[in-house]
Amino acid sequence: QVQLQQSGPGLVKPSQTLSLTCAISGDSVSSNTGVWNWIRQSPSRGLEWLGRTYYRSKWYNEYAVSVNSRLTINPDTSKNQFSLQLNSVTPEDTAVYYCAREATGGNGWYLFYFDYWGQGTLVTVSS
Amino acid sequence: DIVMTQSPDSLAVSLGERATINCKSSQSVLDSSNNKNFLAWYQQKPGQPPKVLIYWASTRESGVPDRFSGSGSGTDFTLTISSLQAEDVAVYYCQQYFISARTFGQGTKLEIK
Repeated sequence: QVQLQQSGPGLVKPSQTLSLTCAISGDSVSSNTGVWNWIRQSPSRGLEWLGRTYYRSKWYNEYAVSVNSRLTINPDTSKNQFSLQLNSVTPEDTAVYYCAREATGGNGWYLFYFDYWGQGTLVTVSS
Repeated sequence: DIVMTQSPDSLAVSLGERATINCKSSQSVLDSSNNKNFLAWYQQKPGQPPKVLIYWASTRESGVPDRFSGSGSGTDFTLTISSLQAEDVAVYYCQQYFISARTFGQGTKLEIK
């Protein structure tokens, strides 16, 4: 059974960097079938996919256009976790942030729906 | 991006009655090479993350009660709860996984009448 455990601060000041971590159990961040995502949810934007990281002989990262210039997702194989760093935050980045795994097929090359989710972290951007 | 639009935004149904939620995508999510629709439905209860109910538009996730069913193809999809139970009160979302940038519908809030 896959479990995702999120950690990180709930309050970030405007213009600073939002950092969250998602620890994985029951799977590996570097498996050839795992795909690791960050998604956020706010009243104004609904559920918004932010980006993913996955390993298929090398590391791949894909980001939503809306946050592409500000977002970095990094795997940490030593701790079996992955992280989100969102730079230059504004109050519009206030949301519940989720990590999630995507189900895959075709030896991990076809990406499907989100089958496991973290518990969510409410992050407020305010001075 | 593919825009997902759900209707209605909210719905009140009596216990034991049928609930129907619609989802429309701005472009087809049907892969004609394998005849699969890249569409999933999620249920979200307060304070919890979304939980997948249906994928490939009509395949129930393991453990999901058979009162939940999905149908549709191409751009128009439906989630049906055949006999509403109290524990089904939640917000329901559709999501496409046809293109890399995943997108969700705005959600439909289901309540008891």
